[in-house]
Amino acid sequence: DQQVKQNSPSLSVQEGRISILNCDYTNSMFDYFLWYKKYPAEGPTFLISISSIKDKNEDGRFTVFLNKSAKHLSLHIVPSQPGDSAVYFCAGGWNQFYFGTGTSLTVIP
Amino acid sequence: SQTIHQWPATLVQPVGSPLSLECTVEGTSNPNLYWYRQAAGRGLQLLFYSVGIGQISSEVPQNLSASRPQDRQFILSSKKLLLSDSGFYLCAWSTGRTYEQYFGPGTRLTVT
Repeated sequence: DQQVKQNSPSLSVQEGRISILNCDYTNSMFDYFLWYKKYPAEGPTFLISISSIKDKNEDGRFTVFLNKSAKHLSLHIVPSQPGDSAVYFCAGGWNQFYFGTGTSLTVIP
Repeated sequence: SQTIHQWPATLVQPVGSPLSLECTVEGTSNPNLYWYRQAAGRGLQLLFYSVGIGQISSEVPQNLSASRPQDRQFILSSKKLLLSDSGFYLCAWSTGRTYEQYFGPGTRLTVT
C-alpha cells in the first residue's frame, strides 16, 4: 500500500514562473516530511523538510506547505529555473520514511 | 564534513549469481543507515535500515539481506539474484537526531 502518493508523474513550467509539486499521504502518524531532488543516475539530494507541527517552511526559492487535515503537502519553487529540472520525491514518516513515486519537473527556458 | 560512498557504481550480474554492495559513511559516528531500491518507473522503496552495529530491520521480505559489520559500513547481499532484483540501489544515512536522510550516489544493478 502506497502511503505517500505523487499523482502527477510530470510537470512542465516556463522559466521564471512558479512550480507547484503536490504530494498526498495516508498515515496520520507521520511526524515529518522531506522533499528530495534527483537527477538521473545520481542519489537524491535533500531539499527541504517540514515538521508536522508547522504548516509552512521556506528556504530561498523553495517553500513547502503542509495541510494536515487534508493530508497534503506541496512544494513551491519560485522563480523556476532550468537547473530545477529533475525528479522530485516527497517522503513522510518518522524513524523511517515512505517515499512517493516522484514528479518529473521540466523547466522550459 | 560527512560523505557517503557506494560501490560499485554499475553492476551487471547473471540470474542466480551472488551480490554484495557496499556503503560507507565518513565524518560521523553511529549513523542510522538505510538501503533503498528504485525500480524502473517506481519510487524509492525502503529495504533495510540499521540503528547500530548488528541491528538490522527489514521492510520487505525478499531474497536480499543486509549486514552492518562496522559502525559506518552497511552491506547489501544476495545469495542468488533474480531478474526482479534489477534496479537502482541507494544507501542513505541520518544522524538519528534529525530526520533528514542523505543519499549516496547509488548502484545501478542489472540482472540478466
